[in-house]
Amino acid sequence: DAGVIQSPRHEVTEMGQEVTLRCKPISGHNSLFWYRQTMMRGLELLIYFNNNVPIDDSGMPEDRFSAKMPNASFSTLKIQPSEPRDSAVYFCASSFAHSPGGYTFGSGTRLTVV
Amino acid sequence: DAKTTQPNSMESNEEEPVHLPCNHSTISGTDYIHWYRQLPSQGPEYVIHGLTSNVNNRMASLAIAEDRKSSTLILHRATLRDAAVYYCILRPALGGGSNYKLTFGKGTLLTVNP
Repeated sequence: DAGVIQSPRHEVTEMGQEVTLRCKPISGHNSLFWYRQTMMRGLELLIYFNNNVPIDDSGMPEDRFSAKMPNASFSTLKIQPSEPRDSAVYFCASSFAHSPGGYTFGSGTRLTVV
Repeated sequence: DAKTTQPNSMESNEEEPVHLPCNHSTISGTDYIHWYRQLPSQGPEYVIHGLTSNVNNRMASLAIAEDRKSSTLILHRATLRDAAVYYCILRPALGGGSNYKLTFGKGTLLTVNP
């Protein structure tokens, strides 16, 4: 298995532009998570999907952020409009729900908003 | 969420064992103890988890105190590739309201000297 695949690896955009981050979870995993990592705040959970349904989006910072999971093999995190404070590394992770085992994280997307 | 306490940093020499401590005095009876690590410029990587008994896998060993208020991640022979931030996380058991959540703290930065 290729693991959790995220794209793009790096994204540089201008303030006000729309940004879409993509994630392909491990086949068979039915839980998907989006995390954000910054130096100041560390790793923060943004949103959690179970069987393609958003279960907890309490970590989404504001309405400019939205996430979708149209099917079991694809998820997107969209920021519109983007702001410089959104600059961070965004990680996607997947796992089997109802399993005490670990999550598998992707390599992340480094977003820079100028 | 139950909290964990880890040293900010530790140092080791290559090919020597490393014992990474974690205190979790407020752990509940059904919390799993998870360890992840994050190598530079990569996503977090699952290392090991346990509930009550000590656990071994190809990456590391997890020693859990009898009262479960502390645990130690053991790397038997450190290599340069083991230099990373190590996170100790408590994950509520299945059936809890937030059993899916992994809440990351600041972790321990492990430096391995050649």
